[in-house]
Amino acid sequence: ELKVEQNPLFLSMQEGKNYTIYCNYSTTSDRLYWYRQDPGKSLESLFVLLSNGAVKQEGRLMASLDTKARLSTLHITAAVHDLSATYFCAVDGGGSNYKLTFGKGTLLTVNP
Amino acid sequence: SQTIHQWPATLVQPVGSPLSLECTVEGTSNPNLYWYRQAAGRGLQLLFYSVGIGQISSEVPQNLSASRPQDRQFILSSKKLLLSDSGFYLCAWSRGTQYEQYFGPGTRLTVT
Repeated sequence: ELKVEQNPLFLSMQEGKNYTIYCNYSTTSDRLYWYRQDPGKSLESLFVLLSNGAVKQEGRLMASLDTKARLSTLHITAAVHDLSATYFCAVDGGGSNYKLTFGKGTLLTVNP
Repeated sequence: SQTIHQWPATLVQPVGSPLSLECTVEGTSNPNLYWYRQAAGRGLQLLFYSVGIGQISSEVPQNLSASRPQDRQFILSSKKLLLSDSGFYLCAWSRGTQYEQYFGPGTRLTVT
């Protein structure tokens, strides 16, 4: 059974600081997805990482994938309040049902 | 472009009452469709998925059921709601041969 672990689950940051969210998974996969969820809202796709060594950047967020280590990171640079949200990583386990296994999410709070 | 709709947006129902939530996708054909529930603890629980009309796979035994009467329509039902059915219900779709999922706006269900 594919397991996806995120850490930390709760992250309180000051504006202007840098931090990294980690996503570990238990089985071979070369496809990983990051989503953002604002309070009371649905999930929004942030990044799609489809190969080992993939790196994607959007604004102050950068995601990377190391399939050999079964690890993805979401790096936050110079955090701003607008980044406060819950971030989920999700991994596909292969197969024809096209299911994703989600981590529990990281609740990020950026304080002034 | 593709869009996904869910209704109703919010629902308050008494224990023991029936439930019907609807999800429709526009702008694509033969999508994979998914129902998730998100309880207060933030994690996403996959309830059902479907790779075609009339093809439903259940992930968690419970008093809920799903149906797919048309290619782009996915319905979540219950004959008798329980208090534990309260939560945020999200529908998602993916292209037939890909894993990235796109989420609808969600339905917030409160069972009283």
